[in-house]
Amino acid sequence: EIVMTQSPATLSVSPGERATLSCRASQSISSNLAWYQQKPGQAPRLLIYGASTRATGIPARFSGSGSGTEFSLTISSLQSEDFAVYYCQQYHKWPYTFGQGTRLEIK
Amino acid sequence: EVQLVESGGGLVKPGGSLRLSCTASGFTFSTYSMNWVRQAPGQGLEWVSSISSVSSYIYYADSVKGRFTISRDNAKNSLYLQMNSLRAEDTAVYYCAREGGWYEYWGQGTLVTVSS
Repeated sequence: EIVMTQSPATLSVSPGERATLSCRASQSISSNLAWYQQKPGQAPRLLIYGASTRATGIPARFSGSGSGTEFSLTISSLQSEDFAVYYCQQYHKWPYTFGQGTRLEIK
Repeated sequence: EVQLVESGGGLVKPGGSLRLSCTASGFTFSTYSMNWVRQAPGQGLEWVSSISSVSSYIYYADSVKGRFTISRDNAKNSLYLQMNSLRAEDTAVYYCAREGGWYEYWGQGTLVTVSS
């Protein structure tokens, strides 16, 4: 099973600033990585797939990068609605696995 | 508009059974793989099971293998999860999700609570 490790567990950032979240795979997953945002009481929302392709309707301030085992999600200028939990997910090999999540909180 | 609506959750005793349903609309259900993903209270996301478009391929997480059965009825645009021998650790919100590798569409989830 491919283990996905996200860091940090919690990230405190001020509105308007830039946030960078990291995700590491225990083996190479090429670019078969997605990012999700989840707010309390809601289902996850797809942000990025293919490591760097924004899903439909996702603002340009969200960007993804990386390949192989190291990936990142960058939010260029944090808006109030961006404070949430973020998960990465690999779909390179079954079982598909998620990272444990990074909580992005207001500083 | 793509919609996925889960139902069937509830409170069940350890060792009991429950059947979850997910009704899809807004897309050609029969051409997509569908998955169940769960989230225990306060925890992260865990993939549970996957079924291909015409049920040719079925996968289960080790944690549910032998106890859960995924199925679908393309004529009814519906996905199912039969859960037997339920344990306290199966307590979670269960989401159905359309799979293309990634999960672009999710239902709102249905809560399953396993407790005596």
